Amino acid sequence: EAQVTQNPRYLITVTGKKLTVTCSQNMNHEYMSWYRQDPGLGLRQIYYSMNVEVTDKGDVPEGYKVSRKEKRNFPLILESPSPNQTSLYFCASALLSGYEQYFGPGTRLTVT
Amino acid sequence: DAKTTQPPSMDCAEGRAANLPCNHSTISGNEYVYWYRQIHSQGPQYIIHGLKNNETNEMASLIITEDRKSSTLILPHATLRDTAVYYCIVRVAYNNNDMRFGAGTRLTVKP
Repeated sequence: EAQVTQNPRYLITVTGKKLTVTCSQNMNHEYMSWYRQDPGLGLRQIYYSMNVEVTDKGDVPEGYKVSRKEKRNFPLILESPSPNQTSLYFCASALLSGYEQYFGPGTRLTVT
Repeated sequence: DAKTTQPPSMDCAEGRAANLPCNHSTISGNEYVYWYRQIHSQGPQYIIHGLKNNETNEMASLIITEDRKSSTLILPHATLRDTAVYYCIVRVAYNNNDMRFGAGTRLTVKP
């Protein structure tokens, strides 16, 4: 089944403790991206990747890192999480930039 | 500035057609209209997109006015599972980084 998977789905952590949210797609898509969704602010893009080893900032990249070492994986790294990063995170992929995006199920992160 | 305007909420009776409007009066010639929906807190799901012609797929129909300043997403026979937030997005075809999700329309399908 074609899909985008994220792990973990739920995470409660403390301020400053590094964490990684994994994202994987099995559709051989070149384009991948990360969004966060907050009440009243909608979905906002954090980072995106046009292809392996090619990443760039979205609208709200501060406090996040990403890497794209292989086509199927696009992990989101929070080096020192803070409470304002408490949010619902979605990973998405597309065949190419401009094609429709397929979204993962989401990761609900709480930073205390 | 928001590129689209949608009503915040709509109701629809189960089995009837749901018509969701979207205004995009500042749309440029190279911008497409995309529709996604989000059921509860699941990941958004692509529905349909179009440039200037009406489009139909297995999920919905998209009607774009001749001047392209507005469009309507039609779910022909709404079911309870169509209850979701529907997002109308205007963007250029080659750039997913230009996708801006606004507040959308919360559609509630009632039995």
